[in-house]
Order: sequence, then C-alpha cells, then structure tokens
Amino acid sequence: AQSVTQLDSHVSVSEGTPVLLRCNYSSSYSPSLFWYVQHPNKGLQLLLKYTSAATLVKGINGFEAEFKKSETSFHLTKPSAHMSDAAEYFCVVSPDNTDKLIFGTGTRLQVFP
Amino acid sequence: SQTIHQWPATLVQPVGSPLSLECTVEGTSNPNLYWYRQAAGRGLQLLFYSVGIGQISSEVPQNLSASRPQDRQFILSSKKLLLSDSGFYLCAWNSVRNTGELFFGEGSRLTVL
Repeated sequence: AQSVTQLDSHVSVSEGTPVLLRCNYSSSYSPSLFWYVQHPNKGLQLLLKYTSAATLVKGINGFEAEFKKSETSFHLTKPSAHMSDAAEYFCVVSPDNTDKLIFGTGTRLQVFP
Repeated sequence: SQTIHQWPATLVQPVGSPLSLECTVEGTSNPNLYWYRQAAGRGLQLLFYSVGIGQISSEVPQNLSASRPQDRQFILSSKKLLLSDSGFYLCAWNSVRNTGELFFGEGSRLTVL
C-alpha cells in the first residue's frame, strides 16, 4: 500500500536559519512526489514536484527537495527561513503517477523573529 | 489561464440543516474534480472525485454527497448536517496533462453548531 509519513507535526525555526521538513514515503511503484504549502484559511499551493527526472528538485520561494530512493525520503529544505514561510506543509505521493494523491498529515512551520 | 472558484468561504449551520458547497473551474475542459475535507489538526481526506459529468466516486462512507451537473461544476451536499461534518472543505481539479498535480480552491470553512 502507498503511504506518506511526515515525521514532524510542528517545526519551529528562527528567521534566517535553515528549514528541514521531513517526509518518508512508501510506494510499490515509481511515485511522483510533491510538496504543497497552505497558509491559514487558504487552499493549497504547489511548492515543487518530483516526477522521476532530476533527484534534486527546486521549487518556488527558495525551497528544494531531494528524492532519495534508498532512504524512501523526500525532505523539504530551505537555506534561510523567512517570516512569510510560516504555514502548513504537506508531503504528497502520487502512486504510479495516477490521479489519486495521498497526503501526509502536514507539518506546521513556525518562524520566529 | 485556469481558475477555480469555491463558495461560500465560510458557513455556520445548525445540526440537521442542509448543505450546499459549490465549486467551478474556468479555462479548461473535462477536468478531474475533487472534494477534500481537512479537519482540525489532521491531513486532507479525499471525499469524492469525478472524471466527468454525472460520474462520482466516493472514497469514504459519510453523510455527504457530491454531484457534477455540468462539466466544470462540482457540488458538495448534505441533507442533514452532523456536528462531525465541521471542517475545512477544499475543491480541487487537475487534468490528464497535469496528472498528479492538483489545483486547489480557497476552501470553505463549515461550522456545524
């Protein structure tokens, strides 16, 4: 069965410090992987996606993620956090590039000044 | 360009009252349409998806129903709301060309009292 696990429900960082949001997946097929961001009371916005091309994926707002098949991970990183990065982040897997997406439970990122 | 509209943005309803949330997509034809629910502190749960007019698939048994009367219109309904129906409802779409990537509406927050 396909699944995705976000290892931290909350992450707090200071502005200007690195961000690491962890995600592990389980998939029997070659998955597509995504990170979405959700600001309070808003819909979700795609940050970046991996679809079996380059393993290091660059997204919007300075975020990037690296697909590591041996570790079944797709962690999201950013070198320097900004106050506007405070939001909920969802790791998502699309098994075998189907239309059905499986969402993680989300990681709430807090950024302190 | 494609846009997705969802309304109402907020709704407060008494237990036992009916519900109708509407979602429309513009700028594309024959989209796949989805209704998700996001309960407080939890991830996204897929409720319904539709690949065409009148074609609705339900992912979980519940008190809600969905209809697709037109190609780009997706409606979420209930005849009698329960307290447990409270949550943040998100409409989303994608197409064959963007398989795996979803485009979300702004969401509708439902509070059942």
